[in-house]
Amino acid sequence: GAGVSQSPSNKVTEKGKDVELRCDPISGHTALYWYRQSLGQGLEFLIYFQGNSAPDKSGLPSDRFSAERTGGSVSTLTIQRTQQEDSAVYLCASSLDANSGTGYFGPGTRLLVL
Amino acid sequence: GQSLEQPSEVTAVEGAIVQINCTYQTSGFYGLSWYQQHDGGAPTFLSYNALDGLEETGRFSSFLSRSDSYGYLLLQELQMKDSASYFCAVRTSGTYKYIFGTGTRLKVLA
Repeated sequence: GAGVSQSPSNKVTEKGKDVELRCDPISGHTALYWYRQSLGQGLEFLIYFQGNSAPDKSGLPSDRFSAERTGGSVSTLTIQRTQQEDSAVYLCASSLDANSGTGYFGPGTRLLVL
Repeated sequence: GQSLEQPSEVTAVEGAIVQINCTYQTSGFYGLSWYQQHDGGAPTFLSYNALDGLEETGRFSSFLSRSDSYGYLLLQELQMKDSASYFCAVRTSGTYKYIFGTGTRLKVLA
């Protein structure tokens, strides 16, 4: 497709379970970002990928959060042992490079941890 | 610390012009981005300013003054569909992350 896609669109899980969120960036975009947004709040940076490497992981809130990117394309954000405070919308964005702005966002994955 | 300040809410009437300001305090600066977000939707990229001056894209314009650590988004010929939240975001030196402001909720009245 022409835009950034994310899956699943919604995820409800029980506290303590692991979840995987997927992002398909725009073809040719080397920069990929993960952000999260709690209800009524601004966006909180999680991690940045340049190609398959992650030179900036400074926003990951704890070691329960990890992410990878393969083939310079698809990225997966994994949250282990989910907690209720992890409930948020997780947004992925891609751009040509880090100097072009955060670029274009996907529709997000709404995560609810019960 | 690093921070971005935006007004929390702005109200204007259809057809009017509105300016949303963003001031930032950051350690270094690469560029300022603006995003629009409708309720329940994802942010939509509007503009990116790396250099001083005004960038115009249709009804929307964005301005940056690096010396004043200040920028604004100008929306002309307001339409009801422009009612949304608008976020400014800054990338700071030495990092790749963009720090977002808390957003300005724009209400356009008929």
